Amino acid sequence: QVTLKESGPGILQPSQTLSLTCTFSGFSLSTYGMGVGWIRQPSGKGLEWLANIWWDDDKYYNPSLKNRLTISKDTSNNQAFLKITNVDTADTATYYCARDLGDWGQGVMVTVSS
Amino acid sequence: DVVMTQTPVSLPVSLGGQASISCRSSQSLVHSNGNTYLHWYLQKPGQSPQLLIYRVSNRFSGVPDRFSGSGSGTDFTLKISRVEPEDLGDYYCLQSTHFPWTFGGGTKLELK
Repeated sequence: QVTLKESGPGILQPSQTLSLTCTFSGFSLSTYGMGVGWIRQPSGKGLEWLANIWWDDDKYYNPSLKNRLTISKDTSNNQAFLKITNVDTADTATYYCARDLGDWGQGVMVTVSS
Repeated sequence: DVVMTQTPVSLPVSLGGQASISCRSSQSLVHSNGNTYLHWYLQKPGQSPQLLIYRVSNRFSGVPDRFSGSGSGTDFTLKISRVEPEDLGDYYCLQSTHFPWTFGGGTKLELK
């Protein structure tokens, strides 16, 4: 059974760096073809894809976030990470991680506020 | 970026009835490998999105056959037959052919 769970700071201040962790089970990110991505959703709004990382460490980012994103993985501990630098209130959202866009975590709410 | 236009924004339905949601892309979603990476999701209130259909017409594991996807190129449709209460929520299409991957704006399926 595949499960994913996101974790994060909950609340942070503008200009800080947001660090998110996706802890998963039921699959390995070292398996050929496997990928994990991050998607976010402001409250009451639609979905925005942010980044994806693959088994071979290939990475793709949404350029709309202007180089503020860094995705990484720890295969041995079944985790994937996302960092967003220089956050502002527009980054307030629920952040999801997903395996190959098919299996999603429950999401973690992040609020950016001074 | 590929713009995904979903219609309608709101779709009132009767239980037991049929619903149809359209998703149009600003450019062809046919990948250079010949596959078309257009997917459909349902997000029930307070829950994460769940994959219903992948690559246009393939039902994800556990998805009932009341859900069907069709289309090609830039024009895609999700049909739901015999609507049940658990089908209500927000539907999204997603293209993962071109980077950045982009979602449609969503369609709210609600009771008439």
